[in-house]
Amino acid sequence: SQELEQSPQSLIVQEGKNLTINCTSSKTLYGLYWYKQKYGEGLIFLMMLQKGGEEKSHEKITAKLDEKKQQSSLHITASQPSHAGIYLCGADVGTYKYIFGTGTRLKVLA
Amino acid sequence: DAGVIQSPRHEVTEMGQEVTLRCKPISGHNSLFWYRQTMMRGLELLIYFNNNVPIDDSGMPEDRFSAKMPNASFSTLKIQPSEPRDSAVYFCASSLALTTLGNTEAFFGQGTRLTVV
Repeated sequence: SQELEQSPQSLIVQEGKNLTINCTSSKTLYGLYWYKQKYGEGLIFLMMLQKGGEEKSHEKITAKLDEKKQQSSLHITASQPSHAGIYLCGADVGTYKYIFGTGTRLKVLA
Repeated sequence: DAGVIQSPRHEVTEMGQEVTLRCKPISGHNSLFWYRQTMMRGLELLIYFNNNVPIDDSGMPEDRFSAKMPNASFSTLKIQPSEPRDSAVYFCASSLALTTLGNTEAFFGQGTRLTVV
């Protein structure tokens, strides 16, 4: 079973709409990382969250980590076609180890 | 820094052949990870090293897979013999492990797209 569950698996939104992607773990996470991937390319780091209740923003993307450090959400405001891609949450589960969720494929319709 | 560098970018090989994928991590990073990505299974951690030492190779699918890190600036992932089901994109990533329970973010290479026919 996946240690990190992401939802939804895929998402199609109209340009300008807001959207949220969720990442859930059954374990407490030492660090939570959001990445974006375009088809055929490597993963691009977006944000890192380490403290319970932490929230970070970069341009129109905001990520939050809950107080228990088991759930994170990524929110995109006023989506644009450039936001399209695969969003992956990754987690540091201790002893240097990173694992990843299954990813959310986002398509933004112009 | 040029980032994590992987080679080759694309590899097409025949079943039964040996395949070697290469990775140069970011200078100064002490953790290195090999991942495999497929549509069906997503991004799977195969093996990771800390200070050139393999810490956990439980994700390596079979004995056909082996990985080495002879020094801090180079790692290889070898598949021998290769099979069609090994076809996937293989990523290498590196990070700086600050403590035993803390990592900076991992930086990924562009990946090697492997096709075994």
